[in-house]
Amino acid sequence: AQKVTQAQTEISVVEKEDVTLDCVYETRDTTYYLFWYKQPPSGELVFLIRRNSFDEQNEISGRYSWNFQKSTSSFNFTITASQVVDSAVYFCALGTGFQKLVFGTGTRLLVSP
Amino acid sequence: DSGVTQTPKHLITATGQRVTLRCSPRSGDLSVYWYQQSLDQGLQFLIQYYNGEERAKGNILERFSAQQFPDLHSELNLSSLELGDSALYFCASSVGSLISSGNTIYFGEGSWLTVV
Repeated sequence: AQKVTQAQTEISVVEKEDVTLDCVYETRDTTYYLFWYKQPPSGELVFLIRRNSFDEQNEISGRYSWNFQKSTSSFNFTITASQVVDSAVYFCALGTGFQKLVFGTGTRLLVSP
Repeated sequence: DSGVTQTPKHLITATGQRVTLRCSPRSGDLSVYWYQQSLDQGLQFLIQYYNGEERAKGNILERFSAQQFPDLHSELNLSSLELGDSALYFCASSVGSLISSGNTIYFGEGSWLTVV
């Protein structure tokens, strides 16, 4: 069975702090994809990144970076120099087979000025 | 803007009623997915269609049904509504149907359903 665990329910930081959101996944499939989505207070789900199981290269996009480690089944997300606009719920998701995504429970990030 | 369009954005209805949620996928996308987000269940996959055919089914209740039309838009029908059906219903789309092809799944803004 597929499972995604986001152990951090809520994280509070002050603007300009760095913050890492943890994601641990479980799957027996050898081919799978990992995703991060952002859900701001308005409710929509915004795609951030997709990573396949064969590519363990870390990725950086502006203030965002992702650390994929198959050895620990983790796909962590770091926001550098956080901003108030980063306040949202962040979801990690695992996709296999016919693209059914299994989501974690989400981590609520609160960035205060 | 993801390019996935959902209507209506908000809907309030009474128990026992039936509603239809509509989704237009991104241009060129053949797969449509429906997800339910509720406080107690989190984000749950309901069903997937690819080019008009059902491809995968998740935790979708028998009172719920969906279809994808020849123009690729999709509808999710919810009937005999109960208070517990109150949730945010998302539609998503992607080009292909298989995760191995590396398609990105884009979500719409969701339809907020409140059953009173």
